[in-house]
Amino acid sequence: DTAVSQTPKYLVTQMGNDKSIKCEQNLGHDTMYWYKQDSKKFLKIMFSYNNKELIINETVPNRFSPKSPDKAHLNLHINSLELGDSAVYFCASSQDGRGLYNEQFFGPGTRLTVL
Amino acid sequence: RKEVEQDPGPFNVPEGATVAFNCTYSNSASQSFFWYRQDCRKEPKLLMSVYSSGNEDGRFTAQLNRASQYISLLIRDSKLSDSATYLCVVVGWAGGGNKLTFGTGTQLKVEL
Repeated sequence: DTAVSQTPKYLVTQMGNDKSIKCEQNLGHDTMYWYKQDSKKFLKIMFSYNNKELIINETVPNRFSPKSPDKAHLNLHINSLELGDSAVYFCASSQDGRGLYNEQFFGPGTRLTVL
Repeated sequence: RKEVEQDPGPFNVPEGATVAFNCTYSNSASQSFFWYRQDCRKEPKLLMSVYSSGNEDGRFTAQLNRASQYISLLIRDSKLSDSATYLCVVVGWAGGGNKLTFGTGTQLKVEL
């Protein structure tokens, strides 16, 4: 069983479109995250939710809107896609985002290409 | 200055070699530290936590120097399967929860 799953795995779309990426974890964790890994492989946090509540919101354009319908799911909707949004987006979860040594488990990533 | 800095490499080493990676961080309030490993086109996975007293897990040894804001990873007896990118991770409080800040990674290639 996959612990953290994301769909789709690949997403190719035109500039200006709106798209969503879905994430689900079956680990029973309280905290979920979205990360962006750019072409230089730099991995940076975007958002974090704890029990459906937004707890970390980095400086991300408001075209990106996360949504957590329950603590096992964290989706990412992106409006008006731009070329610079092309990246790999990773979802992750951890038992508790306030724990100092809680391991984060990552999904397989969604490779987004904006043409 | 980046929050977490690593030598990007690549480090090309023969099988059986010992290799060391270094990492420095800028935020002295950082609270916990990790090494993650990322294989090509895969997700990052936890390799080991890094404790102040230093810790070892098989062929891997991690050290932390809080005064110098420096973290290291030593890999002994390198295997082909150790080829990957090693990500230094620093954790600090971000208001609502703990935030992981990743270095850009050091690429290791172990060769026959």
